[in-house]
Amino acid sequence: DTEVTQTPKHLVMGMTNKKSLKCEQHMGHRAMYWYKQKAKKPPELMFVYSYEKLSINESVPSRFSPECPNSSLLNLHLHALQPEDSALYLCASSQDRGQGVEAFFGQGTRLTVV
Amino acid sequence: DQQVKQNSPSLSVQEGRISILNCDYTNSMFDYFLWYKKYPAEGPTFLISISSIKDKNEDGRFTVFLNKSAKHLSLHIVPSQPGDSAVYFCAASPANAGGTSYGKLTFGQGTILTVHP
Repeated sequence: DTEVTQTPKHLVMGMTNKKSLKCEQHMGHRAMYWYKQKAKKPPELMFVYSYEKLSINESVPSRFSPECPNSSLLNLHLHALQPEDSALYLCASSQDRGQGVEAFFGQGTRLTVV
Repeated sequence: DQQVKQNSPSLSVQEGRISILNCDYTNSMFDYFLWYKKYPAEGPTFLISISSIKDKNEDGRFTVFLNKSAKHLSLHIVPSQPGDSAVYFCAASPANAGGTSYGKLTFGQGTILTVHP
């Protein structure tokens, strides 16, 4: 099983709403990631969790709040977003150590902020 | 400062011919390189990778070449098939302090490959 599952696939939210994106993997990976991809741009790293602890925050605004409840789950809590936050949000997971690390991505959540 | 560059926004090839996608990088701390394929509105799919200690890695129709001195890598697809039409991203990962690669990926801008029947 090399699948990373993200829900929901699409989300439309107002600027005053609170919503959450969810990600799940059962590959035994201990590193999980949130990436953001704007149209016609490459994915950009937001957060990295290693062994359920936040290890990298790429200077992401506090209106994005990640959470890793256990080794299989990763959430991204959204609050007071702006229209420019509309993007494809990608979750990924990988082994935490080794000579090379392949990250496996989910299908993404297409977020629209209105 | 773009640390991973794919200078060709698009590439068009005939079915059965070879597709060559190129990627350059500037950060000498990168030591693991990956290629991903992406369809619209989907997540990237891992294709093939190469460690900086190698200069070639092959997997079926896909071969990645690494020229470390030139900071250049390329993906060869042969023979190309219409189903290969997608956006291809080159990505790079640095070694962490412990000497093992870590999954913090920096992506290039992507190359749109179109394979014509």
